[in-house]
Amino acid sequence: DVKVTQSSRYLVKRTGEKVFLECVQDMDHENMFWYRQDPGLGLRLIYFSYDVKMKEKGDIPEGYSVSREKKERFSLILESASTNQTSMYLCASTGTGITGELFFGEGSRLTVL
Amino acid sequence: AQKITQTQPGMFVQEKEAVTLDCTYDTSDPSYGLFWYKQPSSGEMIFLIYQGSYDQQNATEGRYSLNFQKARKSANLVISASQLGDSAMYFCAMRELSNQAGTALIFGKGTTLSVSS
Repeated sequence: DVKVTQSSRYLVKRTGEKVFLECVQDMDHENMFWYRQDPGLGLRLIYFSYDVKMKEKGDIPEGYSVSREKKERFSLILESASTNQTSMYLCASTGTGITGELFFGEGSRLTVL
Repeated sequence: AQKITQTQPGMFVQEKEAVTLDCTYDTSDPSYGLFWYKQPSSGEMIFLIYQGSYDQQNATEGRYSLNFQKARKSANLVISASQLGDSAMYFCAMRELSNQAGTALIFGKGTTLSVSS
């Protein structure tokens, strides 16, 4: 069963803390993504990666960074968490299939106090 | 400008009825793909159906069909014979294949579907 696994379903952090969100996929996919989901705004792309050590900014990269040291793992980093980063974070991956649909993890709900 | 527009924040339907969820898109890329995802209250994103811009026929997957009108830039999802388990948030999404970020999907804001008995 193919899978995208996010390390934490729920996190509560304080303003200014450094936050790591980890994502691992077991499908040998080249492309991995981090989205943020907020009510009424849909999913917005933060960063994506098309290869190890490669990264590209999405639509809302400010306040975030990413790391991809291994093909299967893509990490989202909040260097100094702020309350406006309270959100649901979704990791996804995709290979080179015909449709190229994204496979999503279960999401990480982050609350910043 | 929004690339994916879902104008219905919420839709209500009775069991066994058909329902259409609207989606319009905006792109100048001649090569693109359109997707629909379902997100139940549990939060997982479930891929439903895909339509390529060059596909001649409308895509179908079981009770789901995509009403693709290329000239109107619309890609409406039709669910036939609604079931209680269809109650969820539905997202329309697009991939522009000539885009540098060509593997990423651009999502709409979603439509919440509620199915009653």
